[in-house]
Amino acid sequence: KNEVEQSPQNLTAQEGEFITINCSYSVGISALHWLQQHPGGGIVSLFMLSSGKKKHGRLIATINIQEKHSSLHITASHPRDSAVYICAVGMTSGSRLTFGEGTQLTVNP
Amino acid sequence: SAVISQKPSRDICQRGTSLTIQCQVDSQVTMMFWYRQQPGQSLTLIATANQGSEATYESGFVIDKFPISRPNLTFSTLTVSNMSPEDSSIYLCSVEPQGSSFFGPGTRLTVL
Repeated sequence: KNEVEQSPQNLTAQEGEFITINCSYSVGISALHWLQQHPGGGIVSLFMLSSGKKKHGRLIATINIQEKHSSLHITASHPRDSAVYICAVGMTSGSRLTFGEGTQLTVNP
Repeated sequence: SAVISQKPSRDICQRGTSLTIQCQVDSQVTMMFWYRQQPGQSLTLIATANQGSEATYESGFVIDKFPISRPNLTFSTLTVSNMSPEDSSIYLCSVEPQGSSFFGPGTRLTVL
């Protein structure tokens, strides 16, 4: 069993839809990261969470430490949101990250 | 925050040759991380590079295949040596100042 599991693996949505991507992890963590990778390969860090909820524009990330679960929500999705979204966890502060396999999101106009 | 640049952005190389990837950060950082992302896979840490000491390699990665330099607090190189088609991947460097993670744009390597 992977330490970090994401669902779904692939997601296709119509522009304007509300999108949720889930991440579950099996060990205690110090922080959870949501990353966005565009087709060119570059990665952008969206959020780093250790508790609660964060919001940036149309993106919302939540984490439930007791449930070992996090969700990334995209409101009013747009074709430019099409990318791979990756969940990664750090076991201790400054330790290496363990990555989920990513969720390929495609938003159609 | 940290802004990271990588060179080259992509390359196509012949089997048996070596390629050196450069990573430049706009601020001083203690640790730099090198990742590999094989086609359709998630990221795998190759090694952690600290300035002034030998890099620390993860299981399955060795210095002879992936030599790393870290001459100062803003720069590092990763060399992929004696390449084979299995080395075709995206290679990314990353830094984690104050716990946040920042990634370079990646180097897309194709080995023929």
